[in-house]
Amino acid sequence: DAGVTQSPTHLIKTRGQQVTLRCSPKSGHDTVSWYQQALGQGPQFIFQYYEEEERQRGNFPDRFSGHQFPNYSSELNVNALLLGDSALYLCASSSAVGSYNEQFFGPGTRLTVL
Amino acid sequence: AQKVTQAQTEISVVEKEDVTLDCVYETRDTTYYLFWYKQPPSGELVFLIRRNSFDEQNEISGRYSWNFQKSTSSFNFTITASQVVDSAVYFCALYFLQGAQKLVFGQGTRLTINP
Repeated sequence: DAGVTQSPTHLIKTRGQQVTLRCSPKSGHDTVSWYQQALGQGPQFIFQYYEEEERQRGNFPDRFSGHQFPNYSSELNVNALLLGDSALYLCASSSAVGSYNEQFFGPGTRLTVL
Repeated sequence: AQKVTQAQTEISVVEKEDVTLDCVYETRDTTYYLFWYKQPPSGELVFLIRRNSFDEQNEISGRYSWNFQKSTSSFNFTITASQVVDSAVYFCALYFLQGAQKLVFGQGTRLTINP
């Protein structure tokens, strides 16, 4: 049973560029959440997708957008990259069934903006 | 406000010492979950424990133990007889069942176990 997978592992971009990160949830999961972890900080919630719609959003600008596909996989897009967007981006998947939706994390994509 | 505070930024001990990582949280919700995660250098968050707000029993799992005290809003984590493999960044996190089903993380404690 594959866990949560993310691609790419590492990415280097320059300021002003756009980037797309990808996440495949754990088998049986239908909800994907994205977190940003800056160096030396704890992960911060960006947004969550369920049924191909953004269900919740953290305190991130509109430059951060996402998408969820019918197979539950998800993309995180960041436009007009800033140096401060350099971080580890973590994807977590969960199941909407039940009262508690444990989140399983992927290995992350490390984004460096130069 | 929903917040998790891990006041200890870095801890360094010698192998076989006991070490306690502190976690204090703030929430107005009555129903929530508390977590501890371990993050090795590879970056992946490794789940260690989940505790719901109605269960204040302490838990022990091998060399790990957790002390949940609702009265002080604390959920501390103790490693007994630490080992070099315990070296990692440890995060305490709060999870809400109402509204945004998201994890709110503390800033983490970097634990270094020296041989």
